[in-house]
Amino acid sequence: ETGVTQTPRHLVMGMTNKKSLKCEQHLGHNAMYWYKQSAKKPLELMFVYNFKEQTENNSVPSRFSPECPNSSHLFLHLHTLQPEDSALYLCASSQEVTGGSAFFGQGTRLTVV
Amino acid sequence: RKEVEQDPGPFNVPEGATVAFNCTYSNSASQSFFWYRQDCRKEPKLLMSVYSSGNEDGRFTAQLNRASQYISLLIRDSKLSDSATYLCVLGENSNYQLIWGAGTKLIIKP
Repeated sequence: ETGVTQTPRHLVMGMTNKKSLKCEQHLGHNAMYWYKQSAKKPLELMFVYNFKEQTENNSVPSRFSPECPNSSHLFLHLHTLQPEDSALYLCASSQEVTGGSAFFGQGTRLTVV
Repeated sequence: RKEVEQDPGPFNVPEGATVAFNCTYSNSASQSFFWYRQDCRKEPKLLMSVYSSGNEDGRFTAQLNRASQYISLLIRDSKLSDSATYLCVLGENSNYQLIWGAGTKLIIKP
């Protein structure tokens, strides 16, 4: 069983759809993250959760809504997305939120049509 | 100026050769440094941390030059499986954000 698991791996959705991405970590970490990775660009940090509490929202549009019910699970709810939101969405976890190394899930490749 | 700058490459290198690439950073307050590798259509994975005294792990050597604000990665006796994108990552103890470079693409050719 991998440390950080994301589902689904691939998602195609229309601009009026509502979908959710799921992330689960089995590492006993306290911090979880959502990142967006677009082609040839650096990873963009979207949200940070520490002990289930959101500690960072990097000016992410409200059409992205995170949810962290416990320290092992993280969701990203999507609604009324735009085609430019198509990207690889990566979930990561780390022991603490102190700028240390992080472990990533395999990502969800999202295409908005 | 970008916070983290990397040559995007690609670096085309014959198998068995030695290859090195650098990553420059702008924030002198950066405290932690890492190299990640990302295979095509896969997630980033930690390759190694970069310590002030340098770090060596088998064929891989990472160095930190605080005065010139860059870190380097040296790969000796390169293998076909080393083909990937190498991401330079910085962390600051004052916050919890990892600052990512866009990566250097490495292609090892037989």
